Amino acid sequence: DAGVTQSPTHLIKTRGQQVTLRCSPKSGHDTVSWYQQALGQGPQFIFQYYEEEERQRGNFPDRFSGHQFPNYSSELNVNALLLGDSALYLCASSRFPDEAFFGQGTRLTVV
Amino acid sequence: RKEVEQDPGPFNVPEGATVAFNCTYSNSASQSFFWYRQDCRKEPKLLMSVYSSGNEDGRFTAQLNRASQYISLLIRDSKLSDSATYLCVVRNSGNTPLVFGKGTRLSVIA
Repeated sequence: DAGVTQSPTHLIKTRGQQVTLRCSPKSGHDTVSWYQQALGQGPQFIFQYYEEEERQRGNFPDRFSGHQFPNYSSELNVNALLLGDSALYLCASSRFPDEAFFGQGTRLTVV
Repeated sequence: RKEVEQDPGPFNVPEGATVAFNCTYSNSASQSFFWYRQDCRKEPKLLMSVYSSGNEDGRFTAQLNRASQYISLLIRDSKLSDSATYLCVVRNSGNTPLVFGKGTRLSVIA
């Protein structure tokens, strides 16, 4: 079992550009949640996908959007990147009521 | 007020020391409580769930006080390998997302 895999592991983008991050959940998991972790902070919830729909959303602007595919994998898209979007982006997969497992994250740097 | 607040770090302790981390949460309806461990530049990993009756896993003991909305983690006989950031995490209900504290960094020194 490969666990939760995220790609890419590192990414450098320029302000104003758009980025897509990808997540493949652990086998048997149907729910994917995305978190943003700035340096020195705890992870902050962005949104959660279940049955290909956004079920819950944290306090993030509409520049952050996502998608879940029929195979439960998910994408996080960020438009019009700002310097403040530089962070570690974590994907967590789960199947309620079991625990969530995190991927290794994508480290995004916006310059 | 942040939903989950933790002791400010860092904690620098010698090997063999006992160290305690504290955490408070603001939502009295919260149902599930956890401690996660995060190594530098890695993903968070579940260390242990926290139950009202308290629970122990080897050198680690977690306690929950619902009346005070307070969670604690005690690490006995600290090892160098315990050096990491410890995240206090709350889930409000069902399949709702995890809410993380800022984390407390622990450095165990030889």
